[in-house]
Amino acid sequence: DAKTTQPNSMESNEEEPVHLPCNHSTISGTDYIHWYRQLPSQGPEYVIHGLTSNVNNRMASLAIAEDRKSSTLILHRATLRDAAVYYCILPSGYSTLTFGKGTMLLVSP
Amino acid sequence: NAGVTQTPKFQVLKTGQSMTLQCAQDMNHEYMSWYRQDPGMGLRLIHYSVGAGITDQGEVPNGYNVSRSTTEDFPLRLLSAAPSQTSVYFCASSYSGPQGNTEAFFGQGTRLTVV
Repeated sequence: DAKTTQPNSMESNEEEPVHLPCNHSTISGTDYIHWYRQLPSQGPEYVIHGLTSNVNNRMASLAIAEDRKSSTLILHRATLRDAAVYYCILPSGYSTLTFGKGTMLLVSP
Repeated sequence: NAGVTQTPKFQVLKTGQSMTLQCAQDMNHEYMSWYRQDPGMGLRLIHYSVGAGITDQGEVPNGYNVSRSTTEDFPLRLLSAAPSQTSVYFCASSYSGPQGNTEAFFGQGTRLTVV
């Protein structure tokens, strides 16, 4: 998998938007950008993925830079339940995933 | 629809014992995989399968065996447990869509302690 770089941790207040950045400067033209999150003591959970265009779903939005070397996961209104480790991943080969350390999101009431 | 089911949820083994971690999915996914997660770390791929009868090694395969006789099941066998295999194990499955354009579904994990 192409390498991704994320901040170790970020903090947010409840009800505020959160922008989680990810750099992937070595991305290839066919690499999809995936985001997963892992709540405490649970398995990873799919959040969103995209290729070139910005994507929205019920959980979040994914903003992809025009050169595709970076992306941002946007949680529009953070809740306490969104406190988790967020992983930015570029899958390759049979959809296997390479997990880095991700970004730990802390949400304060 | 149960998704990905892992059993057991917790297990304590003595060094040298063998055991099988079970993983079953009811979504008719072709791709299945096993990961381990050590404290404070991301998940690392152990073995994966692209369909019944086809398996391959991931990043950390030593000490583990897998087989895939049905689409639904993908058990992970520890041949002779070692303390270094103390970890949380996650099973995942996904459709065999275009590379990278499918989402993976994960089980809730098996927490294994080897003493």
